[in-house]
Amino acid sequence: DSGVTQTPKHLITATGQRVTLRCSPRSGDLSVYWYQQSLDQGLQFLIQYYNGEERAKGNILERFSAQQFPDLHSELNLSSLELGDSALYFCASSRGQAVYEKLFFGSGTQLSVL
Amino acid sequence: SQELEQSPQSLIVQEGKNLTINCTSSKTLYGLYWYKQKYGEGLIFLMMLQKGGEEKSHEKITAKLDEKKQQSSLHITASQPSHAGIYLCGADDNTGKLIFGQGTTLQVKP
Repeated sequence: DSGVTQTPKHLITATGQRVTLRCSPRSGDLSVYWYQQSLDQGLQFLIQYYNGEERAKGNILERFSAQQFPDLHSELNLSSLELGDSALYFCASSRGQAVYEKLFFGSGTQLSVL
Repeated sequence: SQELEQSPQSLIVQEGKNLTINCTSSKTLYGLYWYKQKYGEGLIFLMMLQKGGEEKSHEKITAKLDEKKQQSSLHITASQPSHAGIYLCGADDNTGKLIFGQGTTLQVKP
């Protein structure tokens, strides 16, 4: 168990809908990262937050947004969902904000857009 | 932007055999992670290499970083079914973002 909790584990929804994925980092970790994993694109970095502030941004679509709350949990909001958004979404956390820190990954949220 | 290319994409070996997975970067490597993923599960940290020429071992897995070749290798000795999974290398893309290779799927036949 990595200590990173992601909910829900599975999510099935329809195109055009909006969903929220939730992540609770390991106790004491200030950084949260979001990744999207699909068969054709592999593991793609979306966004990183450190202590409530956006730290780094990847190829995150405008339809996607994220935030980190004062209690350090994070939410990834996906709106106007398309079939191509179906993927495994991972959250990871680390103690600090440096790139070469050990990341602990959650078990992911499997999103299926029908 | 930096890219990480892993080879081979997939590998099937007989239990007890040795194997090597390579990760090549399109730009200078200042450090590199190796993670392992079981299908449909999260990534588990294996090793982090931060210096050129650095070599680390954990149980039967050894990783090396060759910064001149912009490459890292992961070597598994005497493979076991428990080694099966997807191995991913990750590195800073030089803009502060941690990116990953496409992964190498390993199957170990008993």
